[in-house]
Amino acid sequence: GNSVTQMEGPVTLSEEAFLTINCTYTATGYPSLFWYVQYPGEGLQLLLKATKADDKGSNKGFEATYRKETTSFHLEKGSVQVSDSAVYFCALSPLAGYQKVTFGIGTKLQVIP
Amino acid sequence: EAGVTQFPSHSVIEKGQTVTLRCDPISGHDNLYWYRRVMGKEIKFLLHFVKESKQDESGMPNNRFLAERTGGTYSTLKVQPAELEDSGVYFCASSQGRQNSPLHFGNGTRLTVT
Repeated sequence: GNSVTQMEGPVTLSEEAFLTINCTYTATGYPSLFWYVQYPGEGLQLLLKATKADDKGSNKGFEATYRKETTSFHLEKGSVQVSDSAVYFCALSPLAGYQKVTFGIGTKLQVIP
Repeated sequence: EAGVTQFPSHSVIEKGQTVTLRCDPISGHDNLYWYRRVMGKEIKFLLHFVKESKQDESGMPNNRFLAERTGGTYSTLKVQPAELEDSGVYFCASSQGRQNSPLHFGNGTRLTVT
C-alpha cells in the first residue's frame, strides 16, 4: 500500500535559519504529493503540491520538488520566521486527484526569535 | 465563504460511553471525508462520502464506528461504545465534485476516552 515517511521532530530553529524537512514515499503509479500545515489551534491547510515528476511546488517561501528517482518530496525554506511554527505533514494521493490522502506522521517545527 | 466546521472541538468521555462528532462541510461540497490522528501517529483515512452515499469506508477501524450523512449535507461520526484507543483528533474535510478539487479541512475534534 501507499505510505509516507517523514522525520517526526520536533525541529527547533532560530529565526532566519534554513529549513529542510525530509519526506519519502512509497506508492504505485504516479501519485500527487503534498505538504499540509497545521498552525496551533487550526485545521490542516494545503501548503503546496506537485502532481508529476520534477514539478516544484512553492508557497509562502516554502518549496518542494517531486523526485521520482528518489521517491522524495523534501520541504525547504531559506529563512524561517516565528510565524512558521506549526506541524507539517507530507502526504500523497493516488493518480492526479486530491481524494484519498495518505499522510506522514507530521513534523513539529518551532522557530525561536 | 464559511469553512468546514466541526463540533465539538473537544470531548472527554469515559470508556463505554457514546460520543457523536459532527461535521458541517462547505456548502455545495459533494465530497466529505473523515480522518483520524491518534497521538504520535499518522493521520489516517476513515471514510469518504459522495453526497449521502458512502464511497469508501475502508478505513473505519471496526463496527463501533458509524458515520452518516443524511441528505448529503452535514455528517456525524458516532463511536459506541468508546474505547481508550479511540482517543485522538478526528478531522473532517470536504471538496467539490471535481477530481482535482482541493481538500478543505476543519479544525478537528479532540476526543479523549478515559
